[in-house]
Amino acid sequence: EAGVVQSPRYKIIEKKQPVAFWCNPISGHNTLYWYLQNLGQGPELLIRYENEEAVDDSQLPKDRFSAERLKGVDSTLKIQPAELGDSAVYLCASSPRGEGSYNEQFFGPGTRLTVL
Amino acid sequence: KQEVTQIPAALSVPEGENLVLNCSFTDSAIYNLQWFRQDPGKGLTSLLLIQSSQREQTSGRLNASLDKSSGRSTLYIAASQPGDSATYLCAVRASGSRLTFGEGTQLTVNP
Repeated sequence: EAGVVQSPRYKIIEKKQPVAFWCNPISGHNTLYWYLQNLGQGPELLIRYENEEAVDDSQLPKDRFSAERLKGVDSTLKIQPAELGDSAVYLCASSPRGEGSYNEQFFGPGTRLTVL
Repeated sequence: KQEVTQIPAALSVPEGENLVLNCSFTDSAIYNLQWFRQDPGKGLTSLLLIQSSQREQTSGRLNASLDKSSGRSTLYIAASQPGDSATYLCAVRASGSRLTFGEGTQLTVNP
């Protein structure tokens, strides 16, 4: 079974440029998550989708970040414009469903963003 | 707000040693706790998931315990190997499906 797929794996851009990350979750997983991981820290949730609905985006900086999951399968996370402080690893995860205790999250390899 | 702390931040041991990684959390109202492994430049690999009603889970040389009332979990690694070198992350899930992570323990197993 294929895992969570993310692309690109690495991205280097100059500040004020836009950037987009793509994620394809495990087949059949209704819930998709985007996390931000700064160096030496644990991941922090940016947004959670249940199918195509964003049900938890309280920690998404909406002035520059946006996300979509139009058909309830793959998802795109966008930053426009990027700032130096956005340099981090962006992780995508999926789980069979969101609520309920039997909910194991599976992570993709991440996209490492460097903003110059 | 849930806070997760992992101790120690870094650990270096000789090959073959048994070791314990610690995780504590401030809010005991959790659904489950998950231990992950992260290799440099890679994503997270799920190691063990313990439901709030469980006391421990085992997978091979790994054993994770959960004491929800005291807000603690431990990850026990038996007979450590150089291939176990990685960062180990603990995460708890409360309502709403959000995982709250600790900062991790960086483990080095020396041959």
